[in-house]
This record gives sequence, C-alpha cells and structure tokens, in this order.
Amino acid sequence: EDQVTQSPEALRLQEGESSSLNCSYTVSGLRGLFWYRQDPGKGPEFLFTLYSAGEEKEKERLKATLTKKESFLHITAPKPEDSATYLCAVQGYSGAGSYQLTFGKGTKLSVIP
Amino acid sequence: KAGVTQTPRYLIKTRGQQVTLSCSPISGHRSVSWYQQTPGQGLQFLFEYFSETQRNKGNFPGRFSGRQFSNSRSEMNVSTLELGDSALYLCASSTRTSGSTDTQYFGPGTRLTVL
Repeated sequence: EDQVTQSPEALRLQEGESSSLNCSYTVSGLRGLFWYRQDPGKGPEFLFTLYSAGEEKEKERLKATLTKKESFLHITAPKPEDSATYLCAVQGYSGAGSYQLTFGKGTKLSVIP
Repeated sequence: KAGVTQTPRYLIKTRGQQVTLSCSPISGHRSVSWYQQTPGQGLQFLFEYFSETQRNKGNFPGRFSGRQFSNSRSEMNVSTLELGDSALYLCASSTRTSGSTDTQYFGPGTRLTVL
C-alpha cells in the first residue's frame, strides 16, 4: 500500500524567512510525485510533477526536489500570499490501469508579515 | 480553458437521506476521480471513471457510488447518509494518457454537511 508522510504538520515563517517542507513516501513503483497548494475552502491547485530521483522544478519562490524516498518543497523568501496548505501525493503502479493519487495530510504554512 | 466545475458547492442533508453530486471535467479530459477530504483523514480516493467505466475504487462502503456519462461528466451518489459522511468532496479530471504520468486537476469541491 502506498504511503505518504508530510512534515511538519504546521510551519510559521516570517516574511522572507526561507524553509523547506518534507514529503517522505513508500510506493510500489513511482509513476509520479505531485505537489499541490490548497487554500481554505478551495480545491487543491496543481504546482509540480516530479518523475524520477534527482529531478528539480521551480516556480516563482517554490522549488521541488525528489530523491528515491522523499521530496522537498523549498520556499525562498516567502510572502504572506504563500500561506496555504501544501499537499504531496504519489501515483504508483498499484494495479492494472490504476491512476489513483495517495495524499499526505499536508503542511499548513503561515507566513507572517 | 475552463477548469473543473462541481455542483452544488454546498449541501446540507440529514441522516438517512441520499445525495447526488455533479462534476464537469476540463474539456478534453476523459478521466474523472473523486476524493473525500476530512480534517482527520485528509484526502482519500473514492473512485475513478474513464470512458463511462469505473476503473479503480478506494476503500469506501457500497453506499458510495458513481457514474460517468458519454460527455465525461460524472456524478457521485451517497445513499443512507451518516454523520461521518460530512466532508469536502473533490472531483479531479485528467487526460489519462496510456503509459504516461497523469496530472489531475481539481475542482472547488462540494461541502456536504450531514445533520
């Protein structure tokens, strides 16, 4: 069974204070690892897909990296508008034709002005 | 390009009733997946439909069911509602291209409250 664990559960940062969120996973054959951002009362918003160890992707102040066992979401010089819950999910070869996502419980990020 | 739409956005029901939620995927997307999100359990996979057929199912009781129409729109039904069914129900669509990684795009969700 695929498993995803995110840490920390919550993180408070001062504006401009860089940090990283962790996502560790176990999956039977990784098809892809996904990062989403979710604002209160809204659906998850797609950020990145990572396919293989060593891969990195960037978008504005966010950079996602992937190893064989975990992924990191680095936030550089965050702003208050980066406050949200960040979700990590894996898509594994869990069965013939299966495309389901297994999610972690998320990291709630608060950026204080 | 319009995103995933879900209706209604909010629902209040009482125990024992049934409810139907609707999802319209992004144009050109043929796969629709449903997820339940609660504070305690997070996002959990319910089922996936592709080409009007259920392709995969999560660990939920048979009270949860769904279907997909020829235009890829999908409905989810929950019968005999229980208090524990109160949650945000999210729909996600994707292209489901064979052999490739499949990015799912989520709708805004339907907030179901069971009293």
